[in-house]
Amino acid sequence: DAGITQSPRHKVTETGTPVTLRCHQTENHRYMYWYRQDPGHGLRLIHYSYGVKDTDKGEVSDGYSVSRSKTEDFLLTLESATSSQTSVYFCAISEEEASTDTQYFGPGTRLTVL
Amino acid sequence: GENVEQHPSTLSVQEGDSAVIKCTYSDSASNYFPWYKQELGKRPQLIIDIRSNVGEKKDQRIAVTLNKTAKHFSLHITETQPEDSAVYFCAASRGAAGNKLTFGGGTRVLVKP
Repeated sequence: DAGITQSPRHKVTETGTPVTLRCHQTENHRYMYWYRQDPGHGLRLIHYSYGVKDTDKGEVSDGYSVSRSKTEDFLLTLESATSSQTSVYFCAISEEEASTDTQYFGPGTRLTVL
Repeated sequence: GENVEQHPSTLSVQEGDSAVIKCTYSDSASNYFPWYKQELGKRPQLIIDIRSNVGEKKDQRIAVTLNKTAKHFSLHITETQPEDSAVYFCAASRGAAGNKLTFGGGTRVLVKP
């Protein structure tokens, strides 16, 4: 597995509380992504980053924000968690090379919002 | 934006038989099509991918075919084994570095011994 870790791996929180998930990579890859995975929906892109301080929205970005202050870290923040954000969150990374788009996934974070 | 549909959602096969999963996409500019396998409780892992300048690609027991005219691509697993039981996802993107993947909804494959 590529050098990607996510923390925490499991979290239970209450509606209305802020939550921050961290993705850390040791591969020095330029691109980083946050997905959520829900039954029947596959993986849906929340936000992605194409460099330090460079981020953009994905298809399901409402209610989420991201930050990338260092190449190796990509943070996903739920400002005020809702039950609809209960999901498994995966981080992914990919290289800068134009010849390959392979995305490598982290181990995931299971988030439950009560 | 891109839309990827995947069928079937579940597939049960006898060990040794073949399994076929089909995906269609909507964006004619898409030219990179990876397939990921996800075992229960694990992360998705790339098993094979294909680019639009290639019609078919094989890697041991798995193969992927692409029909750009019809905008569909398929995953074929031959001589299925119990360890092939997993959820499989297709995806599509425009193929440049860092381009966003759009995933299908997934196919749960069960290989019965």
